[in-house]
Amino acid sequence: AQSVTQLGSHVSVSEGALVLLRCNYSSSVPPYLFWYVQYPNQGLQLLLKYTTGATLVKGINGFEAEFKKSETSFHLTKPSAHMSDAAEYFCAVSDQLRTGNQFYFGTGTSLTVIP
Amino acid sequence: DAGVTQSPTHLIKTRGQQVTLRCSPISGHKSVSWYQQVLGQGPQFIFQYYEKEERGRGNFPDRFSARQFPNYSSELNVNALLLGDSALYLCASRMTGLNEQFFGPGTRLTVL
Repeated sequence: AQSVTQLGSHVSVSEGALVLLRCNYSSSVPPYLFWYVQYPNQGLQLLLKYTTGATLVKGINGFEAEFKKSETSFHLTKPSAHMSDAAEYFCAVSDQLRTGNQFYFGTGTSLTVIP
Repeated sequence: DAGVTQSPTHLIKTRGQQVTLRCSPISGHKSVSWYQQVLGQGPQFIFQYYEKEERGRGNFPDRFSARQFPNYSSELNVNALLLGDSALYLCASRMTGLNEQFFGPGTRLTVL
């Protein structure tokens, strides 16, 4: 079975500082990995995804993540935090089921950006 | 193009009642999944439907059921509501052959 662990339920950074949100996964098969962002009272928006190929994945809003198989990690980074980045971030791993795929989500990391 | 839509936006029920939540996928998407997100936690998988057939089920009691219609829209039904069913219920759709899921804004269910 697949699972995701997000280290740090709350992360605070200063505006302009590096953002690093940690995600480790467990998967018995090659994983598909995703980062989603959730703003208050809204659904989930896809930031980026890793399926196959290049291990450094670039997403929207300046975010990127690197798939490291040896470390079973998929950490999310952004060089310079912006106030609008304050939100809840979820890492997810996909379990391919025949014609469908079930997502397993982490418990989320709440990002606060300090002006 | 319209994204995934869900109705209603908010819902308040009392214990023991039944509720039906509705979801319309993105046009062309044939797969719909339902997730429950309890406050402070990540979404938990409930069901997945593809071409009107159940293709996956999470660890939820039989009080939870769903179906998908010929136009690929879907309903989630929850019977005999418990206080613990209070959550944001998210619907996601996916295009055949692609991995990513697109989420709707959710339905906030409060059980009193």
